Amino acid sequence: DQQVKQNSPSLSVQEGRISILNCDYTNSMFDYFLWYKKYPAEGPTFLISISSIKDKNEDGRFTVFLNKSAKHLSLHIVPSQPGDSAVYFCAASAKDDMRFGAGTRLTVKP
Amino acid sequence: KAGVTQTPRYLIKTRGQQVTLSCSPISGHRSVSWYQQTPGQGLQFLFEYFSETQRNKGNFPGRFSGRQFSNSRSEMNVSTLELGDSALYLCASSERTGGNSPLHFGNGTRLTVT
Repeated sequence: DQQVKQNSPSLSVQEGRISILNCDYTNSMFDYFLWYKKYPAEGPTFLISISSIKDKNEDGRFTVFLNKSAKHLSLHIVPSQPGDSAVYFCAASAKDDMRFGAGTRLTVKP
Repeated sequence: KAGVTQTPRYLIKTRGQQVTLSCSPISGHRSVSWYQQTPGQGLQFLFEYFSETQRNKGNFPGRFSGRQFSNSRSEMNVSTLELGDSALYLCASSERTGGNSPLHFGNGTRLTVT
């Protein structure tokens, strides 16, 4: 069962604009959420995380928003750069259980 | 610190064979997890080891097994390979077990079963 869903397999944005990647989850027990970025031929790298006690966490150009009532989180990248082109995975965890979404391929066009 | 190292990077096997993949975690990391990545399926959790003990296991058949050594290095074994086992296998380490510790991934082993 897909407890973590990324419904957009791909997203294309213009350099300098905002990229918004979305993620939905079904398990209300998840209390920690993470975003990973993956380039081809490399493993995913940790990007940013948020605890369920917060609704926003910011790190430079990257901001993650959490809406617990809607069981939805999003990653905002502002401004988007061509080097941000990668596959982005969201992950949700509860104690010992971490689940990943299927990923969204972001393409930032110069 | 050196990152997570996975060997080999690529493997080609035929159906029915078995395969062993190796993972060396970041120094000091005692938790090692394994994931399978296939197109459209994201990262599917296989199992997690902490201090040589399997702490958690995903929904995979018993053909998939693993172990962790006293130096935290881990191996994953797949027996009686099937075509559907073709995937990228990722190993990740973290300082502690539990879901609140970010994972550090290796570059994966690309397994092709023919």
